[in-house]
Amino acid sequence: QLQLQESGPGLVKPSETLSLTCTVSGGSISSSSYYWGWIRQPPGKGLEWVGSIYYNGNTYYSPSLKSRVTISLDTSKNQSSLKVNSVTAADTAVYYCARLWKTTTTFDYWGQGTLVTVSS
Amino acid sequence: DIQMTQSPSSVSASVGDRVTITCRASQGISSWLAWYQQKPGKAPKLLIYAASSLESGVPSRFSGSGSGTDFTLTINDLQAEDFATYYCQQANIFPLTFGGGTKVDI
Repeated sequence: QLQLQESGPGLVKPSETLSLTCTVSGGSISSSSYYWGWIRQPPGKGLEWVGSIYYNGNTYYSPSLKSRVTISLDTSKNQSSLKVNSVTAADTAVYYCARLWKTTTTFDYWGQGTLVTVSS
Repeated sequence: DIQMTQSPSSVSASVGDRVTITCRASQGISSWLAWYQQKPGKAPKLLIYAASSLESGVPSRFSGSGSGTDFTLTINDLQAEDFATYYCQQANIFPLTFGGGTKVDI
């Protein structure tokens, strides 16, 4: 059974960099059948796609975040990573990693999510 | 970017009811649409992909329809465990976008 687990600091100061890791178990992050994505959800609000990465390293980002976001893969550790630079309070959210099924471009497996709060 | 508009934003229903949620895309997306269910404090769960295909393990009381710009999620014989928030997502092209959500409550 595929499992995804987000990890990283729960508190980040304004103007600093938010860094999260998604560890995938029960499946390979190098599969050509899937992308690996990040989605976030501010408290009490809806879902926002942050970006996705394909096994070959091709990345796709939300236009509103593109200048501040980097997503990468570490195939040796079966992990995906998310970095968001120059964070503000507006970046406070639950961050989810998820597998994106290439055939239908839908998120079929999700991590449990991790809350990141931006505050001094 | 393709904008996704869900309606209603909330709906009150009772066990046994039929609930219909609509999602409209700002441009045609063929059948590239997914529906998710999210319960408080939990990650979203995929219900429907490609507009009308039921994800494995999802009860058959859930169904999806539509193509182009207008889509519908129908829940027949609403059960207690179905009270949740539902989101649509266009799967046609990057950037991927979600609807604003529809909360189904008692």
